Amino acid sequence: DTGVSQNPRHKITKRGQNVTFRCDPISEHNRLYWYRQTLGQGPEFLTYFQNEAQLEKSRLLSDRFSAERPKGSFSTLEIQRTEQGDSAMYLCASSPRGTSYEQYFGPGTRLTVT
Amino acid sequence: AQTVTQSQPEMSVQEAETVTLSCTYDTSESDYYLFWYKQPPSRQMILVIRQEAYKQQNATENRFSVNFQKAAKSFSLKISDSQLGDAAMYFCAYRSPNFGNEKLTFGTGTRLTIIP
Repeated sequence: DTGVSQNPRHKITKRGQNVTFRCDPISEHNRLYWYRQTLGQGPEFLTYFQNEAQLEKSRLLSDRFSAERPKGSFSTLEIQRTEQGDSAMYLCASSPRGTSYEQYFGPGTRLTVT
Repeated sequence: AQTVTQSQPEMSVQEAETVTLSCTYDTSESDYYLFWYKQPPSRQMILVIRQEAYKQQNATENRFSVNFQKAAKSFSLKISDSQLGDAAMYFCAYRSPNFGNEKLTFGTGTRLTIIP
């Protein structure tokens, strides 16, 4: 069990560019979550998947954000036309089937928009 | 919507002493789950302890214990025998038990410093 992994760990981009992040959950975890964390704040929920189905999306997830989990395994989060306000740490978490409510977090992808 | 409030942005404690971190929340649900997560500097977030609202007994995990006061909507974390490795940001989080509403709602965190 290697834990949740995220790539890249750091991304610097210019305003207006598109970026894509990847999250690989713990094997056999069917739930996958995306959060955004800005400096000095707690993580804020963005969206979550059960298998390949996207079950909930936050109002924070504007039209410029899209997330996919095509085969119920890894997930991608894409931000189009990045803005400086998108600079944050993007965290991915996963949890297993059943009644375990613990979410296991990855190390995050730090996005800096210049 | 549920909200979680951590009123202590920073706390410090002498090594080997005990410290209590505060958390209050607001919800209209009668059943829910509460968590304390630890985020060490530049490292990923890990679960410290979990409490189910329907359980009256306070959860404990080794040196970590909670004081869960459901009527007061309070959920504090007590760390006994503080160690240098306990230095981190601590986040209180709320989760609804309902299927399809599984997100965690976090507080703003408390930065804990351990003084050697």
